[in-house]
Amino acid sequence: GENVEQHPSTLSVQEGDSAVIKCTYSDSASNYFPWYKQELGKRPQLIIDIRSNVGEKKDQRIAVTLNKTAKHFSLHITETQPEDSAVYFCAVPTDRDDKIIFGKGTRLHILP
Amino acid sequence: DTAVSQTPKYLVTQMGNDKSIKCEQNLGHDTMYWYKQDSKKFLKIMFSYNNKELIINETVPNRFSPKSPDKAHLNLHINSLELGDSAVYFCASSQARGTAQHFGDGTRLSIL
Repeated sequence: GENVEQHPSTLSVQEGDSAVIKCTYSDSASNYFPWYKQELGKRPQLIIDIRSNVGEKKDQRIAVTLNKTAKHFSLHITETQPEDSAVYFCAVPTDRDDKIIFGKGTRLHILP
Repeated sequence: DTAVSQTPKYLVTQMGNDKSIKCEQNLGHDTMYWYKQDSKKFLKIMFSYNNKELIINETVPNRFSPKSPDKAHLNLHINSLELGDSAVYFCASSQARGTAQHFGDGTRLSIL
């Protein structure tokens, strides 16, 4: 079955610096790659997603890059701000049976 | 208007009891899901319903049973609650396979 690995599990970044979180997956048939942000005590919310026909997508300070050959995709946050502090999850829907596998999450701390 | 709403928000009950969590979505989505988030924040899919048909069923105990009276509702019934069932349960919906998921606010279940 699909295996999703997310790294790092915890990340501390100085405010204003960039943060990068990476996910690797095993099912080469996967074609949709979302990232979710979960603030403390709140629900996960989609922040950006990418499909397999593009290599990069950007939305203001957030970007996602995809390397289908190497089977990994990354979340990039530039000019980090205190409100970026949260847990971030990657997710990979498998093509065969509609199963969605979430990474184990990355707790991002933005340091003042 | 809340897109995915689940009730109750908090549920505190004794071991051995039976309880239900309700979920409704007003997005017109075809697929609904139940997730369990444990104390380590791991998100694990439990069930998925597409047009009232169960399409995946993770290896969850059969004490858990999803019930979908119509496309907009997916309720979760739990029999004989155990201490290990304590977690936050999230309902979600998506338009189709491989599209963004919209989560409810979660139900925090605590077993005494």
